Amino acid sequence: EAGVAQSPRYKIIEKRQSVAFWCNPISGHATLYWYQQILGQGPKLLIQFQNNGVVDDSQLPKDRFSAERLKGVDSTLKIQPAKLEDSAVYLCASSKTSGGPGETQYFGPGTRLLVL
Amino acid sequence: KQEVTQIPAALSVPEGENLVLNCSFTDSAIYNLQWFRQDPGKGLTSLLLIQSSQREQTSGRLNASLDKSSGRSTLYIAASQPGDSATYLCAASPQNQAGTALIFGKGTTLSVSS
Repeated sequence: EAGVAQSPRYKIIEKRQSVAFWCNPISGHATLYWYQQILGQGPKLLIQFQNNGVVDDSQLPKDRFSAERLKGVDSTLKIQPAKLEDSAVYLCASSKTSGGPGETQYFGPGTRLLVL
Repeated sequence: KQEVTQIPAALSVPEGENLVLNCSFTDSAIYNLQWFRQDPGKGLTSLLLIQSSQREQTSGRLNASLDKSSGRSTLYIAASQPGDSATYLCAASPQNQAGTALIFGKGTTLSVSS
């Protein structure tokens, strides 16, 4: 089966510009996660969706970040306006059913963002 | 708040050596502990998942153990190979949070020389 797809793979923007990332999870996976991984750090959750509903967005900087999963399949993460500290790899992951704690999360290749 | 720490941050070994990577977590209320591998420019690949009721899991040359009471997990790699060079991340699945996101350590970067 196809894995988690993300695009673009790389993006360079200037601060205060806007950027959007796209994720298509594994077919049939109900739960979708967006993580941010800053260089030298482990991934940190930004938002978790269960189908098209938000389960946890407590660490999402809502003044500049937004995410949606309108039809419960693919998802878009947006940053507006970007700051230098947003330079990171943005990882999308999905899991099969209810997002239960025993399920494996499958990660996409990530989008590398550089803000100048 | 759950925190995950990995020691060492980096490790270099010659091919064929057995090695141990360490992971510690501050809150023992976890559903499971997972080990991932991350290659440069790529996403994360799940290696082993240990449920909270288990003590260890094995896959090929990899063995992961879990001691919830002490807040520790180890990843043992036997007979290391150059292809094992990567960053290894451990992640805890905390019980005390809204969702089921993982809390990651910063990783151990392993280099195996031939």
